Amino acid sequence: DAGVTQSPTHLIKTRGQQVTLRCSPKSGHDTVSWYQQALGQGPQFIFQYYEEEERQRGNFPDRFSGHQFPNYSSELNVNALWLGDSALYLCASSLGTGSQETQYFGPGTRLLVL
Amino acid sequence: AQSVAQPEDQVNVAEGNPLTVKCTYSVSGNPYLFWYVQYPNRGLQFLLKYITGDNLVKGSYGFEAEFNKSQTSFHLKKPSALVSDSALYFCAVRGINTGGFKTIFGAGTRLFVKA
Repeated sequence: DAGVTQSPTHLIKTRGQQVTLRCSPKSGHDTVSWYQQALGQGPQFIFQYYEEEERQRGNFPDRFSGHQFPNYSSELNVNALWLGDSALYLCASSLGTGSQETQYFGPGTRLLVL
Repeated sequence: AQSVAQPEDQVNVAEGNPLTVKCTYSVSGNPYLFWYVQYPNRGLQFLLKYITGDNLVKGSYGFEAEFNKSQTSFHLKKPSALVSDSALYFCAVRGINTGGFKTIFGAGTRLFVKA
């Protein structure tokens, strides 16, 4: 039973560029959440997708957008990259709509913006 | 504002001794509380959660946590630490007053277990 997978594992971009990160949820899960973890900090909630719609969004600008596909996989897009966007981006999947559901995390994509 | 505090950046303990990693939260209502562990260059691994019921929650790898509503705390504990427990630990909270789906994480506590 595959867990949460993310691609790519590492990425280097320059300021102003755009990036797309991908996530496949744990088998049987239908909900995907994205987090940004800056160095030395805890993860910060970006947004959550369920039934192909953004269900809740954290305090991130519109440069951060996402998508969920019918197979529940998801993409995170970041436009006009800033140096401050350098971080580990984590995807988490869960089942159902209850806020008590456990989220299972992928290994993350480490993004470096130069 | 809703928040989670992990007051210790680092906890040092000798192998075989009990360990405690502290967490307090500031979320009104009845929040759901979680502990995760992160090893170097890895994602977060779920350890345990409190939803309702018994205040002592048992989780993976011998860890447990005690929910204290009056002190708004959810401290992680283990009776006998292992060197392999050395990692970064995150407390997290979610609930109606965080929007229902948003998880708020603490800044993390690094645990060092010395042989």
